[in-house]
Amino acid sequence: DADVTQTPRNRITKTGKRIMLECSQTKGHDRMYWYRQDPGLGLRLIYYSFDVKDINKGEISDGYSVSRQAQAKFSLSLESAIPNQTALYFCATSDFGTLDEQFFGPGTRLTVL
Amino acid sequence: AQRVTQPEKLLSVFKGAPVELKCNYSYSGSPELFWYVQYSRQRLQLLLRHISRESIKGFTADLNKGETSFHLKKPFAQEEDSAMYYCALRDTGNQFYFGTGTSLTVIP
Repeated sequence: DADVTQTPRNRITKTGKRIMLECSQTKGHDRMYWYRQDPGLGLRLIYYSFDVKDINKGEISDGYSVSRQAQAKFSLSLESAIPNQTALYFCATSDFGTLDEQFFGPGTRLTVL
Repeated sequence: AQRVTQPEKLLSVFKGAPVELKCNYSYSGSPELFWYVQYSRQRLQLLLRHISRESIKGFTADLNKGETSFHLKKPFAQEEDSAMYYCALRDTGNQFYFGTGTSLTVIP
């Protein structure tokens, strides 16, 4: 089945370290998104991309960067992780042809000590 | 600015009782609104979207532009409806905004 995968699924790191979270999809969708989920705050959009050459900042992009290496891959980087970035991170994909329904990955739980 | 508000973090109802999950939004344009659901140990998934005017698993949601609301309703709750529900808005710039979620528990 076509899917959205995220690696790693869990990561513990230290303040100041560079971290990359990866998202891959086999759905053939052109749109990809990165969200973070915090207790009591719901999901907040970090970055989104409508194709390889189109990257857009979301609601909370500060402290993050992204790379769309191919249609199927969208990576999120924390250049210098801080404890405040401890959260559950979700990747999602969508396609204009499906009325923009978003398909979510399983999530990556990141802990910054 | 918070664009989507879900005032109830937790909601408990008895099986067979009606359920309503509230969602209010703040947006001056013409938003597209969605309800997403996350069942235990499953991924977040679309439940329904206002543009489709559909009923999924017995749930409906009507967009009320006057009250800027998009409440989710079901006349008879089932145990399998227990889950986390998120209301979401997509603006004309294609950004998505999610509410903080409501955890629904249906008591047998």
